[in-house]
Amino acid sequence: QKEVEQDPGPLSVPEGAIVSLNCTYSNSAFQYFMWYRQYSRKGPELLMYTYSSGNKEDGRFTAQVDKSSKYISLFIRDSQPSDSATYLCAMSEGSSNTGKLIFGQGTTLQVKP
Amino acid sequence: DTAVSQTPKYLVTQMGNDKSIKCEQNLGHDTMYWYKQDSKKFLKIMFSYNNKELIINETVPNRFSPKSPDKAHLNLHINSLELGDSAVYFCASSQAGGTEYFGPGTRLTVL
Repeated sequence: QKEVEQDPGPLSVPEGAIVSLNCTYSNSAFQYFMWYRQYSRKGPELLMYTYSSGNKEDGRFTAQVDKSSKYISLFIRDSQPSDSATYLCAMSEGSSNTGKLIFGQGTTLQVKP
Repeated sequence: DTAVSQTPKYLVTQMGNDKSIKCEQNLGHDTMYWYKQDSKKFLKIMFSYNNKELIINETVPNRFSPKSPDKAHLNLHINSLELGDSAVYFCASSQAGGTEYFGPGTRLTVL
């Protein structure tokens, strides 16, 4: 069993839909949770960063962490075709240079105009 | 003004060859990484260097040897390339306690 599980999709939604992306994990020591977006043939770029449990909002994006359930989510409101990409969750026990990042497999999202 | 750059972008080579990938960051970060992304987009850390010192070394064949000549550079040398080495290799960097910034990737194809 992988430490971080993420449904690879693909997930296809119409423009304007609310998108929910999720990851589950098994290591209760994870404290730092991130969402990266990766466009085709590009490197991952950080979207959201959360420490411990709770919600964080940034524009159309909301990240949620539920440590009791070992479950994290990324919500995208009013989805746009430009949101079409692969979304990777990542987590670590420590901060970036003391704890390695463990990635989920990534969910491929397509937003249709 | 590229933050994390890698060369080459594409690399096609024969089995058994030796090749190198170079990475440079101009962000002033003190930590650099190599990741491998397989055909299923699964991204896995290979190595991490902090101030030129190796701090993370995952279970990677010893045909892979990272070298950090200074804080801004982390190169990856691969000996005796195998078919299974075909993947996209990403370099990344971060500052202590900060988030990781990824390069554009090097797509390696071993024939």
